[in-house]
Amino acid sequence: NAGVMQNPRHLVRRRGQEARLRCSPMKGHSHVYWYRQLPEEGLKFMVYLQKENIIDESGMPKERFSAEFPKEGPSILRIQQVVRGDSAAYFCASSRSAGFNTGELFFGEGSRLTVL
Amino acid sequence: GQQLNQSPQSMFIQEGEDVSMNCTSSSIFNTWLWYKQDPGEGPVLLIALYKAGELTSNGRLTAQFGITRKDSFLNISASIPSDVGIYFCAGRENNDMRFGAGTRLTVKP
Repeated sequence: NAGVMQNPRHLVRRRGQEARLRCSPMKGHSHVYWYRQLPEEGLKFMVYLQKENIIDESGMPKERFSAEFPKEGPSILRIQQVVRGDSAAYFCASSRSAGFNTGELFFGEGSRLTVL
Repeated sequence: GQQLNQSPQSMFIQEGEDVSMNCTSSSIFNTWLWYKQDPGEGPVLLIALYKAGELTSNGRLTAQFGITRKDSFLNISASIPSDVGIYFCAGRENNDMRFGAGTRLTVKP
């Protein structure tokens, strides 16, 4: 049973380019969360999605950032016109639907974005 | 969203010593989770707690869900060098999951 799969593991972009980070949740999981982590810091919530719906995007910057979780395929976190301050590790996590008595989030290994 | 206060921020201990860290919140949660993150990796779930007052062990790790549902602690007994890493608490209320800032643990052989 594969865990949460994120790709790419490392991504280098120049300022102004676009970054696309992908996340495939664990099998049977329909909830996806994206977190951002700066070096030496904790995990900052960005967005929570269920299939085809954004449930909570309160942690995501209003401009340049967007996220989706289509009916088919992985969840995608998209950063347009990247700036140096976007350099960070972006972690995806998934969980089962809220109807099950399980609160665990399972994390991927992260995508490390470096903006030159 | 709710803010979690995790302490201490960092700990430097000798191998074999016990470790204790805790997390408090201004709001209640129905689930408390503890994760460990190694450098360059994603957080890995250590212990999940679902009931107020619950005390759960996983090997040398013991965690408790506070009676008020606003706090949790994690203890590590007889620390070993591979315990090094960052430990995060997380509180969940329905589909809202928030993390503490982490406790960075260093274990000296």
